Amino acid sequence: DIQMTQSPSSVSASVGDRVTITCRASQGLSTWLAWYQQKPGKAPNLLIYGASNLQSGAPSRFSGSGSGTDFSLTITNLQPEDFATYYCQQANNFPFTFGGGTKVEI
Amino acid sequence: QVQLQESGPGLVKPSETLSLTCAVSGASIRSYTWSWIRQPAGKGLEWIGRVYTSGSTNYNPSLKTRVTLSTDPSKNQLSLKLTSVTAADTAVYYCARDREARDAFEIWGQGTMVSVSS
Repeated sequence: DIQMTQSPSSVSASVGDRVTITCRASQGLSTWLAWYQQKPGKAPNLLIYGASNLQSGAPSRFSGSGSGTDFSLTITNLQPEDFATYYCQQANNFPFTFGGGTKVEI
Repeated sequence: QVQLQESGPGLVKPSETLSLTCAVSGASIRSYTWSWIRQPAGKGLEWIGRVYTSGSTNYNPSLKTRVTLSTDPSKNQLSLKLTSVTAADTAVYYCARDREARDAFEIWGQGTMVSVSS
C-alpha cells in the first residue's frame, strides 16, 4: 500500500493567516492526489483533485500543488469556517489511501 | 441535487455480518462509480472498495476476504456486506460517488455509525 504522510498533524492559526499543509507519498503518484476538508460530525468534502484542480463550489482561497511524491494544500486568508481537519488521498494505486489528517485550529 | 443516504443497524454482534445500504437520489447508479469509506471514531479514513457501473469491484486487500459491494439498479441503491465483524470494524461508514475520472470522491453520504459489540 502507498503510505501517505501529512504534516503537521495540527496547526494553530488565526483568521486571515496563510496555512500550508504537506502530504508525502511513499511512491510517486503523478498528480493523482486529492484533498478533503472534514468538520466534526460531518462527511469529508472534496476541495482539490488532480493535485491542483479546485473542485466546483470550493472557495478559491484553497489551492493545491505538487506532483510525484510531494504535495501541498494552501489556505490563504483563513476564514472561521476553515477550522477543520484536512486529509490528502492518493488515487494512483489500489488500495486508495488517505493521510492521517491535519487539524487546523485556533 | 445528488444525495446519498446510508442506512443499516447501528449495532452488530461480533462474528456476525454487517449489512448497509446507500440510497442514491438525483443520479442513476448505472452512470457512475461508487465507493465505500469508513472512519473509526477520532481516527482517519479507510477506503473499503469501489463498485463500477458493470458491477465489477475493487476491494481493499485488508478487507477483501470479508467484504462484498453490490448495486441494485431497480432501487438505485448500493449495498455493503462485511462478514465476521469484530470491534475493529466499529466506525462511521460512508458511501461516496467517484468523480468521472475516478480520481477522487466528489459526493458523500452523511455516514452511518456502526458499533460492533455483544
